[in-house]
Amino acid sequence: NAGVIQTPRHKVTGKGQEATLWCEPISGHSAVFWYRQTIVQGLEFLTYFRNQAPIDDSGMPKERFSAQMPNQSHSTLKIQSTQPQDSAVYLCASSSGTGGSAETLYFGSGTRLTVL
Amino acid sequence: GQQVKQSSPSLTVQEGGISILNCDYENDMFDYFAWYKKYPDNSPTLLISVRSNVDKREDGRLTVFLNKSGKHFSLHITASQPEDTAVYLCAAGWNNNAGAKLTFGGGTRLTVRP
Repeated sequence: NAGVIQTPRHKVTGKGQEATLWCEPISGHSAVFWYRQTIVQGLEFLTYFRNQAPIDDSGMPKERFSAQMPNQSHSTLKIQSTQPQDSAVYLCASSSGTGGSAETLYFGSGTRLTVL
Repeated sequence: GQQVKQSSPSLTVQEGGISILNCDYENDMFDYFAWYKKYPDNSPTLLISVRSNVDKREDGRLTVFLNKSGKHFSLHITASQPEDTAVYLCAAGWNNNAGAKLTFGGGTRLTVRP
């Protein structure tokens, strides 16, 4: 079990460019979450999917952020027209969604996004 | 507003002592409470969790206490060791049959001095 895989580990973009972050959840896990980590805000919830369906995107900045889960093996977080304040570590997590440990989140290593 | 809050950003304890980490929450719907541990440049990993139908859970040196009326839960680490030095994140959520979204506190940096 390779755990949750996130790529790339680091991404540097210029202001106004687009950034796409990738996540491969643990095989068999039905729920996939995206969080953003900054020193000031800590770990902020962005959005999550269950069985590929979007469930809650209440943490997503509405205008430039979007997330998809086209199949059960990967999810993407896309940020259009990146701004310096988007700089953060973006963490993807998955959980089994069922059973006694349904809520346990397994995090990937994260993608550190730097917007110059 | 902050639904889950850790009021102490840092805590220093002597080796062998008891570390007590605290977390307050606002949402009455929360029925699942957890503590995650995070080392620098690593991602959080689950330490221990508890559901709202109990008010205490022990696992080795770790004990979670839940005070539902006070909307507060805490993590006690007995016989603290230098390797316990890390950031501890509390989290709370509820499972609405579509999965459980966890809301995290800001973290408490624990330092255990030898």
